[in-house]
Amino acid sequence: DVKVTQSSRYLVKRTGEKVFLECVQDMDHENMFWYRQDPGLGLRLIYFSYDVKMKEKGDIPEGYSVSREKKERFSLILESASTNQTSMYLCASTLGSPYEQYFGPGTRLTVT
Amino acid sequence: GENVEQHPSTLSVQEGDSAVIKCTYSDSASNYFPWYKQELGKRPQLIIDIRSNVGEKKDQRIAVTLNKTAKHFSLHITETQPEDSAVYFCAAGWAGTALIFGKGTTLSVSS
Repeated sequence: DVKVTQSSRYLVKRTGEKVFLECVQDMDHENMFWYRQDPGLGLRLIYFSYDVKMKEKGDIPEGYSVSREKKERFSLILESASTNQTSMYLCASTLGSPYEQYFGPGTRLTVT
Repeated sequence: GENVEQHPSTLSVQEGDSAVIKCTYSDSASNYFPWYKQELGKRPQLIIDIRSNVGEKKDQRIAVTLNKTAKHFSLHITETQPEDSAVYFCAAGWAGTALIFGKGTTLSVSS
């Protein structure tokens, strides 16, 4: 079974803090993705990566950056957290494109 | 880029009825169309997918149809049960791209 894990289920941060969300997959998947999920807006793609040290912007990259130093790990970074970044963040991975994406359990981030 | 529209946003049915959710996509290059189910508090999970060389696919009570000419695809759930209650997402994509998801449909099945 594919396992995608995220570093935290719940996180509370203050405005202006630098925030790191980590995602790890154990199936040697090449592709990894970060989405944010908000009620009524569905799953919106923030960034994705097809290989180590490679990244591509998604639909809503503003205010975020990513890092992929190892194949199994994909980090989402909020350089200076703002209240409008309060959301559920979901990581996903897939062996190739386009194939089934496996999602992590999500991190509910609250920025106060 | 790809844009996926999903309707309806909410759907309420009685147990045993059928439910249909429809999606349209904009990029004619898209050739992979999955459907995900997300139960409350859980992660999205794939329930069925279809590729562009196939017009219909069934798996027990669920089926997906694809009309490439019209650029739309639909999820059909027959004999709905309370455990079918969830948010359903459609998506579209092709090789070398990330999936783009619809905004989701909240399905409520009442007994």
